[in-house]
Amino acid sequence: GAGVSQSPSNKVTEKGKDVELRCDPISGHTALYWYRQSLGQGLEFLIYFQGNSAPDKSGLPSDRFSAERTGGSVSTLTIQRTQQEDSAVYLCADSDRRGPYNGYTFGSGTRLTVV
Amino acid sequence: TQLLEQSPQFLSIQEGENLTVYCNSSSVFSSLQWYRQEPGEGPVLLVTVVTGGEVKKLKRLTFQFGDARKDSSLHITAAQPGDTGLYLCAGAQTTIIQGAQKLVFGQGTRLTINP
Repeated sequence: GAGVSQSPSNKVTEKGKDVELRCDPISGHTALYWYRQSLGQGLEFLIYFQGNSAPDKSGLPSDRFSAERTGGSVSTLTIQRTQQEDSAVYLCADSDRRGPYNGYTFGSGTRLTVV
Repeated sequence: TQLLEQSPQFLSIQEGENLTVYCNSSSVFSSLQWYRQEPGEGPVLLVTVVTGGEVKKLKRLTFQFGDARKDSSLHITAAQPGDTGLYLCAGAQTTIIQGAQKLVFGQGTRLTINP
């Protein structure tokens, strides 16, 4: 596609349930990032995939969070046993190089609400 | 602890006024980017600055990178209602992935331009 696509755009889930968020990056872009944005705030880094390298998972807030990227393309962010503090907008971004040199292209995000 | 501090966090001014937003850090960055985000969308890249002291202009927006590459500013001349949005600065940081960098973001400046 022409841009980064995320699904679903909105997700309401009950506390304790697991959720999966999906990101379809731009074809051929080897770098993929997940960020979390709490209400109107800045972006908190979660995880970075670069080609076939082991991902940088240093931003994942707890072991309830995990992510994978299959075939160097689609990525899924999974949150297990969701808590109310997980409510946020989860943004996926990609870049065409091993870093932000030409800027990131962001998706529109998934707004997660845990009730 | 926020690696990049933006100020002010909120700014509401009248159309036609000038304004400056600051992005400060104690860390040195190889490059710094500014993004603008509108409600329900992901951030969109405005500019990348790389060289200490560099000044870039984008119509009525002027971006400056500090000489020591630790800080940056965004100046808007004759602000217009269309400039309303969340402005985010982001610095490039090394990762555990060899030869790669990721962005760390400030908390953002929410700008409102009143007609």
